[in-house]
Amino acid sequence: DADVTQTPRNRITKTGKRIMLECSQTKGHDRMYWYRQDPGLGLRLIYYSFDVKDINKGEISDGYSVSRQAQAKFSLSLESAIPNQTALYFCATSPGGRPQETQYFGPGTRLLVL
Amino acid sequence: QKEVEQDPGPLSVPEGAIVSLNCTYSNSAFQYFMWYRQYSRKGPELLMYTYSSGNKEDGRFTAQVDKSSKYISLFIRDSQPSDSATYLCAMTQNAGNMLTFGGGTRLMVKP
Repeated sequence: DADVTQTPRNRITKTGKRIMLECSQTKGHDRMYWYRQDPGLGLRLIYYSFDVKDINKGEISDGYSVSRQAQAKFSLSLESAIPNQTALYFCATSPGGRPQETQYFGPGTRLLVL
Repeated sequence: QKEVEQDPGPLSVPEGAIVSLNCTYSNSAFQYFMWYRQYSRKGPELLMYTYSSGNKEDGRFTAQVDKSSKYISLFIRDSQPSDSATYLCAMTQNAGNMLTFGGGTRLMVKP
């Protein structure tokens, strides 16, 4: 079984709809991240959480919110989806604060906002 | 101007070729440099990391950092079709700081 799972894997929604992307991990890591990936722009950080009570905004948090329900679960919400939020979304986890410790990525959620 | 620049490619090479992938960056405070590999429809996975300037070798892969030029490279020797993927560079200043990613270079190795 995958260590980092994301649901759904694909989602089509309409402008103005609220949607939630979910992430679960079995790696026992404290740190979790949400990124979006757009062609040519690489991965950009939306939100990150160092533990259940510590949530921080990333580079592009506007229009997004998150919830850390447990150590293993980190959800990303789009309160009112807009077309420029069409992207590939990745959840990631890491064990601690050393920069050389890798981030483990989920398989991604492909989101299309019409 | 983006903080980390990477040629998007695609870069197409024949099997067995030496591949050179590169990133330039503008923030002189970056100290940790990573290369991630991302297969189609998968999440990125860490390939290599280096600290500060210098070279690091792991099998067919060599990572090189030149901080004076703000330039990092990943070399792949004896490239294989299984190396076909998008390669993302990433970097950070120090512990606790978030990663800044390049846009990724798509590599295609043809049999």
